[in-house]
Amino acid sequence: AQSVAQPEDQVNVAEGNPLTVKCTYSVSGNPYLFWYVQYPNRGLQFLLKYITGDNLVKGSYGFEAEFNKSQTSFHLKKPSALVSDSALYFCAVRAQSYGQNFVFGPGTRLSVLP
Amino acid sequence: GAGVSQSPSNKVTEKGKDVELRCDPISGHTALYWYRQSLGQGLEFLIYFQGNSAPDKSGLPSDRFSAERTGGSVSTLTIQRTQQEDSAVYLCASSPTTGGAGELFFGEGSRLTVL
Repeated sequence: AQSVAQPEDQVNVAEGNPLTVKCTYSVSGNPYLFWYVQYPNRGLQFLLKYITGDNLVKGSYGFEAEFNKSQTSFHLKKPSALVSDSALYFCAVRAQSYGQNFVFGPGTRLSVLP
Repeated sequence: GAGVSQSPSNKVTEKGKDVELRCDPISGHTALYWYRQSLGQGLEFLIYFQGNSAPDKSGLPSDRFSAERTGGSVSTLTIQRTQQEDSAVYLCASSPTTGGAGELFFGEGSRLTVL
């Protein structure tokens, strides 16, 4: 069975500081991994994904994520946080098998303080 | 439009009434998903349509919930005899493939309030 954990309900960071939002996963076989962001009263927006190859993936709005197979992690990072990055962030996994469903983590609320 | 469209954006209903929520996926997308989200919390999977295969209904919380997808395009989620605990935002998403690395594209959601 697939599962995703986001161990922190809330992450607070000062504007200009680096941010990390953590994600670990469990899946049979190789995974596809995704990060989404949700702003208040909006749907989820795709940020980035890992398919294969380079473990460091770059995405929208200056975000990046590092795939670590041995630690089964896919942490989201940004070198310098903006107040506008404050939102709800979801990690998701999908097994590399035909017809497999997406499994989402519980979400982490990021607050960037001015 | 170019994105996933959901209607209505807001629906207020009385307990016991039936409601229908509509999702227009991105043209050509073969996979369609329904999720439920309560008060800015996590996503609860409801149902997954994958091309011409039988849908994965494993997430539907009760037999009051049903969904169909006509012609491989538009989907309708129906909730019969609504209860207050059904109040949530219902999110629809589509994907260009029924497998693989294609990401989900989400609509803005339908906010359901059951009084």
